[in-house]
Amino acid sequence: SAVISQKPSRDICQRGTSLTIQCQVDSQVTMMFWYRQQPGQSLTLIATANQGSEATYESGFVIDKFPISRPNLTFSTLTVSNLSPEDSSIYLCSVVQGTYEQYFGPGTRLTVT
Amino acid sequence: GENVEQHPSTLSVQEGDSAVIKCTYSDSASNYFPWYKQELGKRPQLIIDIRSNVGEKKDQRIAVTLNKTAKHFSLHITETQPEDSAVYFCAASLIGSQGNLIFGKGTKLSVKP
Repeated sequence: SAVISQKPSRDICQRGTSLTIQCQVDSQVTMMFWYRQQPGQSLTLIATANQGSEATYESGFVIDKFPISRPNLTFSTLTVSNLSPEDSSIYLCSVVQGTYEQYFGPGTRLTVT
Repeated sequence: GENVEQHPSTLSVQEGDSAVIKCTYSDSASNYFPWYKQELGKRPQLIIDIRSNVGEKKDQRIAVTLNKTAKHFSLHITETQPEDSAVYFCAASLIGSQGNLIFGKGTKLSVKP
C-alpha cells in the first residue's frame, strides 16, 4: 500500500488560532479523505478532498471551519480554523488504493488550550 | 443515510479463545464492509474486508461473515493472542460512491494471557 505521511504529528494550539495539517502520499491517488477521531471515539468523515475542485463536506462540517486544498494527486492540506477546545482531536487523512481499500495516515493529534 | 451499529463495545477473552464482534448496517445499498484494527496511539489498519457478493472471507486466524438479508456482518478471531488486543472498527460503504466509509463505534478487545 501507499506510504502516507502527515505533518505535524502533534501540536498544541491556542484558542482562536488555526492549524494546517499536511498529508503526503508517495504515489498518485484519486480519492483522498479527511477524518476526525475525537478522544476515545470512532472516526467521522469531514470531507473528500477533490483534486482541482472544492472539497465535498459531510453534514456538520463547513468550509469556513475546515478549508481543504488538494493541488495535486499526492498532496492535501486540512486547516482547522478559529480553534476551540472542542476541536481537540486526532485528524487523519486516508487514501483509496486498489479498487476500494482505504488506508490511513498516521494522524495529527491536536490539543487546543 | 447509512448507520452502523457495533457490539459489544468491550470484549475480554482468554488467550487462545475466540472473539466475535458484530455489526449491523441500515442501508441495503451498501456493498463493501472493511474491518480496521487500531492499537493505542496508532493509525487504523485495514485487516480484512468483504464485498456483498461474498458470504465469508478468511485470512489465517481472522474471518468475516456477511448476511445481506439481515444486514449484519461479523468479525471472527480464532486462537486469540495478546497482540490481538486493540480497538476494532467495522465500516460500511457503497462502492462507486465517493468511498465514504461509515464507521461503527468500535470494540475494545482485551486478550488476557
